[in-house]
Amino acid sequence: SQQGEEDPQALSIQEGENATMNCSYKTSINNLQWYRQNSGRGLVHLILIRSNEREKHSGRLRVTLDTSKKSSSLLITASRAADTASYFCATDAGYQKVTFGTGTKLQVIP
Amino acid sequence: EPEVTQTPSHQVTQMGQEVILRCVPISNHLYFYWYRQILGQKVEFLVSFYNNEISEKSEIFDDQFSVERPDGSNFTLKIRSTKLEDSAMYFCASGGGNTEAFFGQGTRLTVV
Repeated sequence: SQQGEEDPQALSIQEGENATMNCSYKTSINNLQWYRQNSGRGLVHLILIRSNEREKHSGRLRVTLDTSKKSSSLLITASRAADTASYFCATDAGYQKVTFGTGTKLQVIP
Repeated sequence: EPEVTQTPSHQVTQMGQEVILRCVPISNHLYFYWYRQILGQKVEFLVSFYNNEISEKSEIFDDQFSVERPDGSNFTLKIRSTKLEDSAMYFCASGGGNTEAFFGQGTRLTVV
């Protein structure tokens, strides 16, 4: 199985609603990061949460981490059409490679 | 804010040609990585590089690929004899030991 798996695979919401994406992983981590990627474009780093942190906020983003369940969630509040993109979680165990999840494709309908 | 820089942003090459993708990692970082993302798919690890040698590589990273840090600042990925299926976005990343990896914006490689 894969280290990072997001669910849902696709999510469609109305502008103004909140969007929640989940990520599960299998092995111990040092950091978990969330990235956004617009279609065919580069990776935009959103937020990093360390293994000793439980929750982190950045603007309209809220990330939680539950190391006992090996899971994380990304909440985008008051979504905008510009939030339409794919969202990936990525985990690392320190200096080792980053492993990406399969991604959630978010569509925000104006 | 320091960033990882990749050039070119887009490269088109003929099948069978060799390409070199270039990356300038963050200056005090020690660990360097290449990743690949075929259109519509997940980002896949290719190779990690530390202390002037490959520390880990995936099964994708076969003899067609090589990496080099030629001058202490650049980190390159060479793809020999490109195939159509090498068309993808290639991401470089660097990290400073026990810190997170920082990614560049990618090079889109199109093999025709």
